[in-house]
Amino acid sequence: GAVVSQHPSRVICKSGTSVKIECRSLDFQATTMFWYRQFPKQSLMLMATSNEGSKATYEQGVEKDKFLINHASLTLSTLTVTSAHPEDSSFYICSARGPHSNQPQHFGDGTRLSIL
Amino acid sequence: AQSVSQHNHHVILSEAASLELGCNYSYGGTVNLFWYVQYPGQHLQLLLKYFSGDPLVKGIKGFEAEFIKSKFSFNLRKPSVQWSDTAEYFCAVKGVDAGGTSYGKLTFGQGTILTVHP
Repeated sequence: GAVVSQHPSRVICKSGTSVKIECRSLDFQATTMFWYRQFPKQSLMLMATSNEGSKATYEQGVEKDKFLINHASLTLSTLTVTSAHPEDSSFYICSARGPHSNQPQHFGDGTRLSIL
Repeated sequence: AQSVSQHNHHVILSEAASLELGCNYSYGGTVNLFWYVQYPGQHLQLLLKYFSGDPLVKGIKGFEAEFIKSKFSFNLRKPSVQWSDTAEYFCAVKGVDAGGTSYGKLTFGQGTILTVHP
């Protein structure tokens, strides 16, 4: 089946650091990628949707200057949390899909981000 | 806006017990419905989905779900659970346009943690 690789799986860093998370589709072309954030005991909340070569579309309440998304190729999207603070600590999950909206979304393993 | 509600946060069962996880959604139009499973330390995987047709959908590993439109529900069932079913289960919904094409974002419920004791 389709595989989405997300790296790193866990990162711990100091407040003020910028952190980059990578999401790669290994065996299919990910025309569309999604970034989610999950708080403990809560649902996955969509942060943004990106189409290859275009600017990401952010959900209401998500700061685009804080969470920079780049989707420069059909196999790679990155999420950069700029100047991270403790309140940015969370579980971030990426998901990728082909060009048609009826196609299934495939999920990465997630990244546990801890800001000290 | 669409929303999904899962009734139980944590369900604990013994092996061979029957399982039913509740899921209700709120949306004004036609929907596609999904159940995802996340085993410990792994990524979300699709368990089953409903797009159209028979409202009783069978998925992998003996799971099934029934779409009851009048109740806006899509409950997940399994007649006899195993220890290996221990995982977190997420219900999700996505809108569908008049042409049958899904659109918008996939909206997830809060998740239900299932613990199965041997």
